[in-house]
Amino acid sequence: QKEVEQNSGPLSVPEGAIASLNCTYSDRGSQSFFWYRQYSGKSPELIMFIYSNGDKEDGRFTAQLNKASQYVSLLIRDSQPSDSATYLCAGRPNAGKSTFGDGTTLTVKP
Amino acid sequence: GAGVSQSPSNKVTEKGKDVELRCDPISGHTALYWYRQSLGQGLEFLIYFQGNSAPDKSGLPSDRFSAERTGGSVSTLTIQRTQQEDSAVYLCASSFLTGAAFFGQGTRLTVV
Repeated sequence: QKEVEQNSGPLSVPEGAIASLNCTYSDRGSQSFFWYRQYSGKSPELIMFIYSNGDKEDGRFTAQLNKASQYVSLLIRDSQPSDSATYLCAGRPNAGKSTFGDGTTLTVKP
Repeated sequence: GAGVSQSPSNKVTEKGKDVELRCDPISGHTALYWYRQSLGQGLEFLIYFQGNSAPDKSGLPSDRFSAERTGGSVSTLTIQRTQQEDSAVYLCASSFLTGAAFFGQGTRLTVV
């Protein structure tokens, strides 16, 4: 079992819809969780982080964390074609290394 | 600079040659990662440095791969006797003791 698993995708949503990206993790010692966006041919860039159970909102993005279920998600509201990318989930224990999932590719169709 | 800097950005080498890839992390970051990413694939973890601790080398694919981090800052990833399957983008990232990792722009390695 991988330490961080993501929806295999690809995921396709129409413009303006909500895109939901999901991630589960196996290491209960993970304390911090991160979502990265990677455009084709580019490096991953950090878009959200979450440390506490519940929701965290930043503009059109909402990260959700449920430590009891070992589940992290990213919601993108009012999806735009520019959101089309691969989204990577990562978990990190305190003072340990981040572990990344394989990513979910999102396509937003105009 | 403000971000993670990697050099060279592109490297073409002949099969069997050795290559060195450099990573200059964000100032003050104690952790440094090397990953490899083949076209259309996820991140493949190679090695993790954290402060003065022994590095986590569990992801290095063979003994042809090695990395060092001098003075807790700059890191060099060395690939000896390169093979065509080593062709990929090599990404470096750095972070504080806790918190998110920030990535460099990567080095695209092509072995011909």
